[in-house]
Amino acid sequence: GAGVSQSPSNKVTEKGKDVELRCDPISGHTALYWYRQSLGQGLEFLIYFQGNSAPDKSGLPSDRFSAERTGGSVSTLTIQRTQQEDSAVYLCASSSKLGEGYNEQFFGPGTRLTVL
Amino acid sequence: GENVEQHPSTLSVQEGDSAVIKCTYSDSASNYFPWYKQELGKGPQLIIDIRSNVGEKKDQRIAVTLNKTAKHFSLHITETQPEDSAVYFCAASALNSGYSTLTFGKGTMLLVSP
Repeated sequence: GAGVSQSPSNKVTEKGKDVELRCDPISGHTALYWYRQSLGQGLEFLIYFQGNSAPDKSGLPSDRFSAERTGGSVSTLTIQRTQQEDSAVYLCASSSKLGEGYNEQFFGPGTRLTVL
Repeated sequence: GENVEQHPSTLSVQEGDSAVIKCTYSDSASNYFPWYKQELGKGPQLIIDIRSNVGEKKDQRIAVTLNKTAKHFSLHITETQPEDSAVYFCAASALNSGYSTLTFGKGTMLLVSP
């Protein structure tokens, strides 16, 4: 079956513009995560959605970042008034609940964002 | 919150040699420790994971060991091959908290030379 897909694969924008990044999780996965990966760095947690519960937004770096998940499936990460330091690869992952918690996270290929 | 340290940041080995990557974590509540492999231009992919009720797990050429007392875990790759070249990330999570937000290490770039 299809894995996690993300679009666009690459996005170049000018400083100050808004961008929207899209994630289509694996069908049936109730948990969805957004991470940011800067050059040479690990994966920085941004936000987590689980079913109908309120999202965990504790990783969002500023109020310019927001995310939605409509209908428990597709998610959109929005960055307003982009800054050069927002340049990174944004990764989305999804997982299903097994046993006592959510297990393997399946990652999409990421969106490479470049802010000029 | 959880903090995961990973070493080394880069590792070069000859084909056929073994490679070891080590991670430490800070939160004693963590009980799930996956390892991900990321190839260029792709998202990370799970290669092996271990839970705190076991000390070692093996899958063909890959093994992971866990020392809960010392709060460290390691990835061992034997008989390395050029296709093992990639960035490897360790992570830690507390599954019994109801959900598993993973805290990742900064990654190890493994280069296997033919």
